[in-house]
Amino acid sequence: GENVEQHPSTLSVQEGDSAVIKCTYSDSASNYFPWYKQELGKGPQLIIDIRSNVGEKKDQRIAVTLNKTAKHFSLHITETQPEDSAVYFCAASKAGGTSYGKLTFGQGTILTVHP
Amino acid sequence: DGGITQSPKYLFRKEGQNVTLSCEQNLNHDAMYWYRQDPGQGLRLIYYSQIVNDFQKGDIAEGYSVSREKKESFPLTVTSAQKNPTAFYLCASSVLAGVHNEQFFGPGTRLTVL
Repeated sequence: GENVEQHPSTLSVQEGDSAVIKCTYSDSASNYFPWYKQELGKGPQLIIDIRSNVGEKKDQRIAVTLNKTAKHFSLHITETQPEDSAVYFCAASKAGGTSYGKLTFGQGTILTVHP
Repeated sequence: DGGITQSPKYLFRKEGQNVTLSCEQNLNHDAMYWYRQDPGQGLRLIYYSQIVNDFQKGDIAEGYSVSREKKESFPLTVTSAQKNPTAFYLCASSVLAGVHNEQFFGPGTRLTVL
């Protein structure tokens, strides 16, 4: 089955700096890669996603890049703010068979933005 | 006010007892999912359901059971057969399981076995 590895497990940055979180996946058939943000005591919330026919997607201060050949994708947050502090999860999914809608998650990254 | 509700927020149970976690959604979503979250391990899929009266095992279904009698409800029972049930449990739903649609998560239930 699919395996998703996420690094780093913790990331500490100063307000205004950029933060990058990287994920690798094992199944070359995976074609959908969402990123979730989870605040303390709450459920994860989708912040951005990318499909395999696109190499990069941007939404204001956040962007995601995908390298299908290397099977890795990354989350980039620019001009970080204290409210960006949370746990971030990457995930991978593929269409077909009984795998529809099934997400495999990375282990999570605890991002701390210091004022 | 649409969304996913999970109850209770905190749940304590004695070892050897079964316990049922509630998940309700009013988003008219077809698919519903149960995940378990442990520190440092991300989210792992327990069960999922694409339509009423049908559900599939996820990666860690042993010791758990579910039912999907209504579109809006997907309760999870943690049985005494689950060896390490203390965890944070998350329910999610999406429009249709057959395509890559956003999964919306509930606030979670933290289960502690005493």
